[in-house]
Amino acid sequence: GAVVSQHPSRVICKSGTSVKIECRSLDFQATTMFWYRQFPKQSLMLMATSNEGSKATYEQGVEKDKFLINHASLTLSTLTVTSAHPEDSSFYICSPRGSSYNEQFFGPGTRLTVL
Amino acid sequence: GNSVTQMEGPVTLSEEAFLTINCTYTATGYPSLFWYVQYPGEGLQLLLKATKADDKGSNKGFEATYRKETTSFHLEKGSVQVSDSAVYFCALSDQNSGYALNFGKGTSLLVTP
Repeated sequence: GAVVSQHPSRVICKSGTSVKIECRSLDFQATTMFWYRQFPKQSLMLMATSNEGSKATYEQGVEKDKFLINHASLTLSTLTVTSAHPEDSSFYICSPRGSSYNEQFFGPGTRLTVL
Repeated sequence: GNSVTQMEGPVTLSEEAFLTINCTYTATGYPSLFWYVQYPGEGLQLLLKATKADDKGSNKGFEATYRKETTSFHLEKGSVQVSDSAVYFCALSDQNSGYALNFGKGTSLLVTP
């Protein structure tokens, strides 16, 4: 399968700061990027979908001004959690998808802890 | 809307035991069904999939059959190994959702020697 990296893998920050998470598809062109969030012992929940060069589409209940998504190229997408609060602590996972229906892969995830 | 329900874990089995992890779904359209596996410290990996009713997905000794009449996609393996210890997620997607995956809560499997 394709190689997908996320950076950082783990981050601890103070409340009120912003955190940027990078997702790179190293050998794969991601025409679509899905961002998921996973709370402890819960399922992965879709946060937003973005297509390269377009604005992201957010799921109901996800604040677009708080979770900024940039998908400027076919190999890089970023998720910025702005003014993070403890309730934003979670596991964030990117999932790039190519033009073929079968091509959807997952990054290893980023553990965010907001103090 | 679409949803996936899978059995709660953790599931603990001895090596070579038979495994079943139940998964049922609700969907408005004609979804594709998936099982993903997440090994400790790693990202999700596709284990197997089925795109239409009565399809059987299989990989690494795991199997699951798309049962439209019971809206189920149960995961089975005849003889588990210690290396199968991981979290297993059942998921579905369809065109209506833009192919985004809708996941179950995950089932943790621990296989002991």
